Amino acid sequence: QKEVEQNSGPLSVPEGAIASLNCTYSDRGSQSFFWYRQYSGKSPELIMFIYSNGDKEDGRFTAQLNKASQYVSLLIRDSQPSDSATYLCAVIEGGAGSYQLTFGKGTKLSVIP
Amino acid sequence: DTAVSQTPKYLVTQMGNDKSIKCEQNLGHDTMYWYKQDSKKFLKIMFSYNNKELIINETVPNRFSPKSPDKAHLNLHINSLELGDSAVYFCASSKLAGGPRETQYFGPGTRLLVL
Repeated sequence: QKEVEQNSGPLSVPEGAIASLNCTYSDRGSQSFFWYRQYSGKSPELIMFIYSNGDKEDGRFTAQLNKASQYVSLLIRDSQPSDSATYLCAVIEGGAGSYQLTFGKGTKLSVIP
Repeated sequence: DTAVSQTPKYLVTQMGNDKSIKCEQNLGHDTMYWYKQDSKKFLKIMFSYNNKELIINETVPNRFSPKSPDKAHLNLHINSLELGDSAVYFCASSKLAGGPRETQYFGPGTRLLVL
């Protein structure tokens, strides 16, 4: 059973701090990794994706991937109350013609003003 | 200019009824998906269609039957609804045949409550 694990939280950080969200995955063959943000009652929306080992930065967001450790993380700098949401880690698995996203259960982030 | 749309947004029904949820995407994508998000917010894939052809069918009861009349539409029909079917159902789409780097775009969700 391929799994994507996340700490369910809630993770509380003060406004302006760095929020660190972590995710581990079980399938060593996983190729692509996504972070989705889901506000309460809304649909998931893509924040970032990463395919290669190392860091990838986009504005206040940095995704980090370590394939050897099967670990992917999302850092949110200068956290804002509007960042309060559930963050879903997702991993692409499968083969040609049948790739699918496997999601973790999400980490609920609360940014305290 | 809705990219992925679903109808209805809310669906309240009695056990044993049959209901359908519709999904349409105007992104020109080839692949569409149905996901179920349960009360604990766990999002799990149910089906995937590429250009009207079923390519992923996870362990889902036979009461759930997807239908894709064309590549822009993927509907979900549910027979003999049960209490455990209560959840939010999300439709999604991606550009190529579920390729390893393709971003999936989600619809707004259909909140199904079975009484």
